[in-house]
Amino acid sequence: AQSVAQPEDQVNVAEGNPLTVKCTYSVSGNPYLFWYVQYPNRGLQFLLKYITGDNLVKGSYGFEAEFNKSQTSFHLKKPSALVSDSALYFCAVRDRNRGSTLGRLYFGRGTQLTVWP
Amino acid sequence: NAGVTQTPKFQVLKTGQSMTLQCAQDMNHEYMSWYRQDPGMGLRLIHYSVGAGITDQGEVPNGYNVSRSTTEDFPLRLLSAAPSQTSVYFCASSSAPKETQYFGPGTRLLVL
Repeated sequence: AQSVAQPEDQVNVAEGNPLTVKCTYSVSGNPYLFWYVQYPNRGLQFLLKYITGDNLVKGSYGFEAEFNKSQTSFHLKKPSALVSDSALYFCAVRDRNRGSTLGRLYFGRGTQLTVWP
Repeated sequence: NAGVTQTPKFQVLKTGQSMTLQCAQDMNHEYMSWYRQDPGMGLRLIHYSVGAGITDQGEVPNGYNVSRSTTEDFPLRLLSAAPSQTSVYFCASSSAPKETQYFGPGTRLLVL
């Protein structure tokens, strides 16, 4: 069964420090991988995605993520955190090889990122 | 551009009442989905559709019905509301599996 794990419910970092939000997945075959961010009382906003090609993907607001096939991971990173990055982050995966379930996007439980000044 | 719109934004229901949550998108997307978000649970898929006339169940379909008569609209029906359906509901759409899924602003539902 497809699944996505975000092992940390919360990540706390100081402004200016690098941040990492972890994500691992279990999908049969090669997945499409996504990161979304949710600010309080808002819908989810797209950050970045991995489809194919370069394992390092760059996205919005200075975020990037590294696809590691052997470790089935897709960790979100940013070299220098901002207080305004504080939000709830979701990793999601879609199986590209399944016919009738192509429409399904599987989400992790989310990681609350807090960046303190 | 409107993107994905959801109505209503807030709703209070009594146990046993029925209602329909509306979702519409103006991007001509084939793929549409309904999720519910509960604290500590992330987003759970209720139902999804890969095109007009085609729907399928997600992880938590019980108590909900959907239909997709047009590409634009994907309403979610609560047949007989229960307190366990108190949640925030999000509708989303995308043009293809590899493409970005766009989310609506959400509907907050309270069932008393």
